[in-house]
Amino acid sequence: SSELTQDPAVSVALGQTVRITCQGDSLRSYYASWYQQKPGQAPVLVIYGKNNRPSGIPDRFSGSSSGNTASLTITGAQAEDEADYYCNSRDSSGNHLGVFGGGTKLTVL
Amino acid sequence: QITLKESGPTLVKPTQTLTLTCTFSGFSLSTSGVGVGWIRQPPGKALEWLALIYWDDDKRYSPSLKSRLTITKDTSKNQVVLTMTNMDPVDTATYYCAHSVIGVTHDAFDIWGQGTMVTVSS
Repeated sequence: SSELTQDPAVSVALGQTVRITCQGDSLRSYYASWYQQKPGQAPVLVIYGKNNRPSGIPDRFSGSSSGNTASLTITGAQAEDEADYYCNSRDSSGNHLGVFGGGTKLTVL
Repeated sequence: QITLKESGPTLVKPTQTLTLTCTFSGFSLSTSGVGVGWIRQPPGKALEWLALIYWDDDKRYSPSLKSRLTITKDTSKNQVVLTMTNMDPVDTATYYCAHSVIGVTHDAFDIWGQGTMVTVSS
């Protein structure tokens, strides 16, 4: 079982805003990073830290955190955003171990 | 430009030991704040964090797999090696290595290798 919990599936209409969430006790102490994975491809980092986007990631992707919940928001979802999204953070042991959420399948309608 | 590439066997038999090598370029694993991690993904399933080695040779392992994993680095060769003992069919997965940036409040795998598929079968 994962220490980070994600909804298995979320859908959004083209051009609308969607929020994907990740819950876990460790998120009270550490930020999550978020990864986009399309079929047959390696994951790509889209958000890390408080709300940082790597070079090349569109600004429609943003991150936030409150309490034990981290969120990835896509403002104006595009067809190409349809993918699996995973959150990742340290676990709650305090030993700097990593953990991934179970992933969220985003469908753009 | 940072790149990483995994290499190793595509097929291993149950009980055998898997050895995977991550060969990287574009950074030094002796630079403070840098790490290389291994992550796997069984077919159709979620990512699973396996291990991470830091620039100072500190190492972290998934608690559920700790007894079976060893991660080492060869800074001169720009390589990180992961060994996993006593392989089982449930270990069938794509194995990724990734460059990690280590911070006080977060880590992030910012660059990933393409992954290598490992099948465990007799």
